[in-house]
Amino acid sequence: GQNIDQPTEMTATEGAIVQINCTYQTSGFNGLFWYQQHAGEAPTFLSYNVLDGLEEKGRFSSFLSRSKGYSYLLLKELQMKDSASYLCAVMDSNYQLIWGAGTKLIIKP
Amino acid sequence: GAVVSQHPSRVICKSGTSVKIECRSLDFQATTMFWYRQFPKQSLMLMATSNEGSKATYEQGVEKDKFLINHASLTLSTLTVTSAHPEDSSFYICSARADREGAGELFFGEGSRLTVL
Repeated sequence: GQNIDQPTEMTATEGAIVQINCTYQTSGFNGLFWYQQHAGEAPTFLSYNVLDGLEEKGRFSSFLSRSKGYSYLLLKELQMKDSASYLCAVMDSNYQLIWGAGTKLIIKP
Repeated sequence: GAVVSQHPSRVICKSGTSVKIECRSLDFQATTMFWYRQFPKQSLMLMATSNEGSKATYEQGVEKDKFLINHASLTLSTLTVTSAHPEDSSFYICSARADREGAGELFFGEGSRLTVL
């Protein structure tokens, strides 16, 4: 079956760095997405990886290893507004998105 | 970036009535739109995929007669919850993609919170 695994909850300190991991097993692979979702709001796009390596975008970076079925989202210089759920999603061979359950990130002062 | 607008953002209705939610792509043609449902503290659950001009493809367990989806144009898809009941209360989110087959970015609407009394 298809499966996306990510931690349920993480806690980090304002100003620090946090890495949210995502492992996947899907039928085919056409890219991996990271989305941010604040409580009560729709998800917003953060990153897209289809080739191995690191993609950096400001304070956020996303890494992909296709051979390992592994990705991580790295958040630097954490701010209180980064408190949200972070969703990992993989596009399978049918171009359908398979969603992880999301990681709730709690930022403490 | 591309904008997807969803309306209404909040709706409260009586049990037994029908509610229509609209999803519009404002600055691109959305060949494919997706409808999700999300319960509190849970991830998105894909309900159906709709391609412009064809019937929607529903996920297993989603009642197509209860959740009517229409994608009549490249910029508009609608979800109608028919004969709504309190258990239909949820956060409904649409998303749109410009490419019919491709790894194009998925753009989300703002979501619609439905409360059925």
